[in-house]
Amino acid sequence: EAQVTQNPRYLITVTGKKLTVTCSQNMNHEYMSWYRQDPGLGLRQIYYSMNVEVTDKGDVPEGYKVSRKEKRNFPLILESPSPNQTSLYFCASSLSPLGSGSRNQPQHFGDGTRLSIL
Amino acid sequence: KQEVTQIPAALSVPEGENLVLNCSFTDSAIYNLQWFRQDPGKGLTSLLLIQSSQREQTSGRLNASLDKSSGRSTLYIAASQPGDSATYLCAVRLFRDQFYFGTGTSLTVIP
Repeated sequence: EAQVTQNPRYLITVTGKKLTVTCSQNMNHEYMSWYRQDPGLGLRQIYYSMNVEVTDKGDVPEGYKVSRKEKRNFPLILESPSPNQTSLYFCASSLSPLGSGSRNQPQHFGDGTRLSIL
Repeated sequence: KQEVTQIPAALSVPEGENLVLNCSFTDSAIYNLQWFRQDPGKGLTSLLLIQSSQREQTSGRLNASLDKSSGRSTLYIAASQPGDSATYLCAVRLFRDQFYFGTGTSLTVIP
């Protein structure tokens, strides 16, 4: 089954304790992205990646890191989490081969990770 | 900076009604616009994607239109059903591959 898988689905942790949220897709998609969703603010893009070893900042990258060492995986790293990073996080992917101009492919989303930082 | 607005924030209609959801964006230099559905506790499901060169897209009871010059898109849902109850989100993709989402319209279809 084609899917985007995020882990963990729920996490409660404390300020300053490094954490990683994993994201994996099995559709051979080039484009992957991380979003956070907050009440009243909607979804905001954190980081995105057009392909392996290519990452770019979205609208709210502060306090986050990402890496794209393999095509299927795009982990989100919080080196020193703070309470203002408590949110619902979504990973998404889409087919978007570099150089093909094919950006008109829909995004596929994971089920989300609810993060609470105390 | 691109801003995406969705009106109304919430909508409640009786089953069978036709309805229109609105999405507006401030910068018309978009690559495409996508409508999503989000169910509670779930991720987003893509409904329709309209390329910047297109005026509308249809899928079943859904029809989405795009007027890029005025910065507007509408999602038309025909003959609404209780199963259509969800939050509907629109998102624009910019040429530099960033995405901007609206805050959504929460739809309730009453049986």
